[in-house]
Amino acid sequence: NAGVMQNPRHLVRRRGQEARLRCSPMKGHSHVYWYRQLPEEGLKFMVYLQKENIIDESGMPKERFSAEFPKEGPSILRIQQVVRGDSAAYFCASSQARQGGGTDTQYFGPGTRLTVL
Amino acid sequence: GDSVTQMEGPVTLSEEAFLTINCTYTATGYPSLFWYVQYPGEGLQLLLKATKADDKGSNKGFEATYRKETTSFHLEKGSVQVSDSAVYFCALSDSNNNDMRFGAGTRLTVKP
Repeated sequence: NAGVMQNPRHLVRRRGQEARLRCSPMKGHSHVYWYRQLPEEGLKFMVYLQKENIIDESGMPKERFSAEFPKEGPSILRIQQVVRGDSAAYFCASSQARQGGGTDTQYFGPGTRLTVL
Repeated sequence: GDSVTQMEGPVTLSEEAFLTINCTYTATGYPSLFWYVQYPGEGLQLLLKATKADDKGSNKGFEATYRKETTSFHLEKGSVQVSDSAVYFCALSDSNNNDMRFGAGTRLTVKP
């Protein structure tokens, strides 16, 4: 059973460009979470999605950031007009069920390290 | 709101030393508790978990016991190895939230 897959692993963008990060959850998982990790810091929640629905985007910046999890294909985190402060590691996690159930353990992908020049 | 506080690092130990990384939590409900490990340049790997009070999670020689009375989930290992060098994150999940709450991480370096 393949784990959570993310690509690309490393992404370099110039200021003002768009960054598109992809996440394929574990097989059988329908809950996807995106987190951001700044250097030497813990993970900060950004958004929680189920297929075709954004459930909680309370951690997403109000501008330039968007996320989707279409019926077919991976979840996408999109950052428009990137700035240097967007440089970070972005991790995707998936779970079989929503938190609070017995199968709520989140499994993480290897992350995408975004560098904005 | 729910939160996790873990021991600040960095922690440096000699091989075969005893390890403790403290973790305490604040939660309104009955959370599940987790320890994740992050090796350099990689994502987080689940190390162990406990879903209710007095449960003990264990894996690869690491242990942590869910203590409701002290709201703690301290990570321990009796004899660390160089290969245990990594950053360790304590985390909780709670049905009141949609996200997992993480501590700031503790960097462990084990020297031969």
